[in-house]
Amino acid sequence: EPEVTQTPSHQVTQMGQEVILRCVPISNHLYFYWYRQILGQKVEFLVSFYNNEISEKSEIFDDQFSVERPDGSNFTLKIRSTKLEDSAMYFCASQTSGVQETQYFGPGTRLLVL
Amino acid sequence: AQSVTQPDIHITVSEGASLELRCNYSYGATPYLFWYVQSPGQGLQLLLKYFSGDTLVQGIKGFEAEFKRSQSSFNLRKPSVHWSDAAEYFCAVGSYKLIFGSGTRLLVRP
Repeated sequence: EPEVTQTPSHQVTQMGQEVILRCVPISNHLYFYWYRQILGQKVEFLVSFYNNEISEKSEIFDDQFSVERPDGSNFTLKIRSTKLEDSAMYFCASQTSGVQETQYFGPGTRLLVL
Repeated sequence: AQSVTQPDIHITVSEGASLELRCNYSYGATPYLFWYVQSPGQGLQLLLKYFSGDTLVQGIKGFEAEFKRSQSSFNLRKPSVHWSDAAEYFCAVGSYKLIFGSGTRLLVRP
């Protein structure tokens, strides 16, 4: 069964460094998402991406964050200058089309900012 | 404001016992409702979803959920729990953007 994959599974970085989290969505999917879960807290929506542009973003998704689909298969989340509070599990999800289609989630990348 | 509440942080049940996980939501429009499960080291797997129609929905792994509009609830049930059901369960509401509850961790006693 097709699945969403994410790399790396764990990343440790120093505060102020840039990180790029990578996701490979399911191949025929059209909608892409990033969510995050700070330890002990809820899973939170960050951004949705469709037709090569951001369709919606949350208040969390400020200028330090960006997303890109550089080559038609990968979907990346970049954090330009990481802060301690960016430490979280980041989930990528993808969806075929239409609001009633299932969002399929990847296993997540655990980011630790020191 | 749109929100999802899962009032139980942890639930422990004995294997073979029945299970009900509670979920209440606040959503302005007709809600699309979901239950996801997360096992350690895994992503979120969809158990079931409700969009419209029959308010009792069947999902994978023997789970079902009932939508009650009057109570703004979407509780998850299973008649007989297996040890492999031990995981964290998330209720969510939304359309493209999903709003999640804080999750309920299920522990299963042998």
